[in-house]
Amino acid sequence: DGGITQSPKYLFRKEGQNVTLSCEQNLNHDAMYWYRQDPGQGLRLIYYSQIVNDFQKGDIAEGYSVSREKKESFPLTVTSAQKNPTAFYLCASSMETGTDTQYFGPGTRLTVL
Amino acid sequence: QKEVEQDPGPLSVPEGAIVSLNCTYSNSAFQYFMWYRQYSRKGPELLMYTYSSGNKEDGRFTAQVDKSSKYISLFIRDSQPSDSATYLCAMRLSGSARQLTFGSGTQLTVLP
Repeated sequence: DGGITQSPKYLFRKEGQNVTLSCEQNLNHDAMYWYRQDPGQGLRLIYYSQIVNDFQKGDIAEGYSVSREKKESFPLTVTSAQKNPTAFYLCASSMETGTDTQYFGPGTRLTVL
Repeated sequence: QKEVEQDPGPLSVPEGAIVSLNCTYSNSAFQYFMWYRQYSRKGPELLMYTYSSGNKEDGRFTAQVDKSSKYISLFIRDSQPSDSATYLCAMRLSGSARQLTFGSGTQLTVLP
């Protein structure tokens, strides 16, 4: 089964803790993305990566960090510097050539207690 | 002003109705336009993908792009309760940049 997996589905964190969200894809896509979704708002881009070992900040990168050591994996770390981390986090991937449709994973809901 | 504006709804229609969902945008450089459907607590799935102006039809769904008015629409014919979801418009520039700019989403409920 080809697709994008995100884990965990639900995550609870205490204030002041860092937490890492997993995103894996077996679609052989070059590009991967992290978005944040808040109620009543569209998706906002946190970070994206077009190739392995390279990534760029999106519109709301402050308080987040990423790595892209493998083509299949693009983990997101929500650091204690992120002021308002409670949100629904979505990972996506796409080809870099041809139809560049972004395919989304099922999401991780992070709640800070 | 947001780059992409979308009426958040909620929108309720009876089964079988024609639904019209719309987005306006301010950046005339957007060239690619998409509609995603998102069920509650799930990731968005792509419904329609269009380039530049014109219409595109896929089953009960029709996407329209009017670049001169900076306005895009998604029409759903013969709406079904299974169409109940949040619909997100998205768009991007041409060239190597692949980042999408999303509308805030319209919540649709189709009543049986």
